[in-house]
Amino acid sequence: NAGVTQTPKFQVLKTGQSMTLQCAQDMNHEYMSWYRQDPGMGLRLIHYSVGAGITDQGEVPNGYNVSRSTTEDFPLRLLSAAPSQTSVYFCASSPGTGVKKLFFGSGTQLSVL
Amino acid sequence: ILNVEQSPQSLHVQEGDSTNFTCSFPSSNFYALHWYRWETAKSPEALFVMTLNGDEKKKGRISATLNTKEGYSYLYIKGSQPEDSATYLCAFPETGANNLFFGTGTRLTVIP
Repeated sequence: NAGVTQTPKFQVLKTGQSMTLQCAQDMNHEYMSWYRQDPGMGLRLIHYSVGAGITDQGEVPNGYNVSRSTTEDFPLRLLSAAPSQTSVYFCASSPGTGVKKLFFGSGTQLSVL
Repeated sequence: ILNVEQSPQSLHVQEGDSTNFTCSFPSSNFYALHWYRWETAKSPEALFVMTLNGDEKKKGRISATLNTKEGYSYLYIKGSQPEDSATYLCAFPETGANNLFFGTGTRLTVIP
């Protein structure tokens, strides 16, 4: 079982560059989300989706864009990278509703210089 | 944004010791409470999802209790082993949604 597959694992960008973090799940989960993890802070929700064609903002959406054209894929786009976006990013999916556990991808460590 | 607090921030215990830590969450409009285990260089993995006041869940040497009226949950580890070393996260969902608000975690180090 692949579960939630996230790529790349590591990325270094220069300020102003754009890039896309890929996330795919093979569990037919309706709910998918992106979190970022910064030292001393809990995982913070960036964007989420409750199904194909539906996305919404989380706690820290600025500077990021998402789309959900299929149930399986939920890419996260950094439009113009800034040093403040240096973080570890996790994609997660769930069958839906708050009583179902999240399944996390392996994470992407992003550095913006 | 929902306020989820965990204590202590970090904990060092000797192998074989039992330990516990706390997650505090808003007691109004309770929906569910999640616990995750996060080992270094890996991704978080779910331990428990708890929904009922007084609920107690167990997985091997790890157990958790829930008090929704006062807004806290305890995670217990009996006879800690070095492989229990990890950060333990609790998370609280928005009512009716799957958006989880995470605490900052308790980092447990078990010394052999």
